[in-house]
Amino acid sequence: DAGVTQSPTHLIKTRGQQVTLRCSPKSGHDTVSWYQQALGQGPQFIFQYYEEEERQRGNFPDRFSGHQFPNYSSELNVNALLLGDSALYLCASSLATSGGPGETQYFGPGTRLLVL
Amino acid sequence: KQEVTQIPAALSVPEGENLVLNCSFTDSAIYNLQWFRQDPGKGLTSLLLIQSSQREQTSGRLNASLDKSSGRSTLYIAASQPGDSATYLCAVKTSYDKVIFGPGTSLSVIP
Repeated sequence: DAGVTQSPTHLIKTRGQQVTLRCSPKSGHDTVSWYQQALGQGPQFIFQYYEEEERQRGNFPDRFSGHQFPNYSSELNVNALLLGDSALYLCASSLATSGGPGETQYFGPGTRLLVL
Repeated sequence: KQEVTQIPAALSVPEGENLVLNCSFTDSAIYNLQWFRQDPGKGLTSLLLIQSSQREQTSGRLNASLDKSSGRSTLYIAASQPGDSATYLCAVKTSYDKVIFGPGTSLSVIP
């Protein structure tokens, strides 16, 4: 089992550019969540995808958007990059179960984004 | 609004010492609480998950407790080792979809 994988591992962009980050969930998982972790802080919830729909969203602007594919993999897109978008972006997968909100999330290694 | 805090922000202990990391949350309406470990520049590794109906979980040298009424959780590490050096994060799940993390405690175990 490859676990949660993310690509690329590192990325350097300039202000105003757009970026796409990718995530493949752990085998058997159908739900993908994205988090932003600034240096020295805990991860902040961006949004979650289930059945190709955004199920809930954290306090992030519309510049952050996402997509989930039929194979459950997901993309995070960030438009009009700002210096403050520099962070580690983490993807987590889980299995949605009715009446079971207590399932464990498995995290990928993250993508380190640097905006210059 | 749920807020999660962790004390201390950083901790340095000699090898072999037992230690306790603290996590506090403001809203007791949680589904579960999870402790993670993060090595520098890396992703998160789940250590222990405590469901809202449980009081504690144990794995090896780790023991985590949960007191929902007081909004507190502790992670106890027995006989600390240099390999335990990392940042430890607690996270509470407040709905099916949302997980709120604390800022973490940076642990350094000195040989």
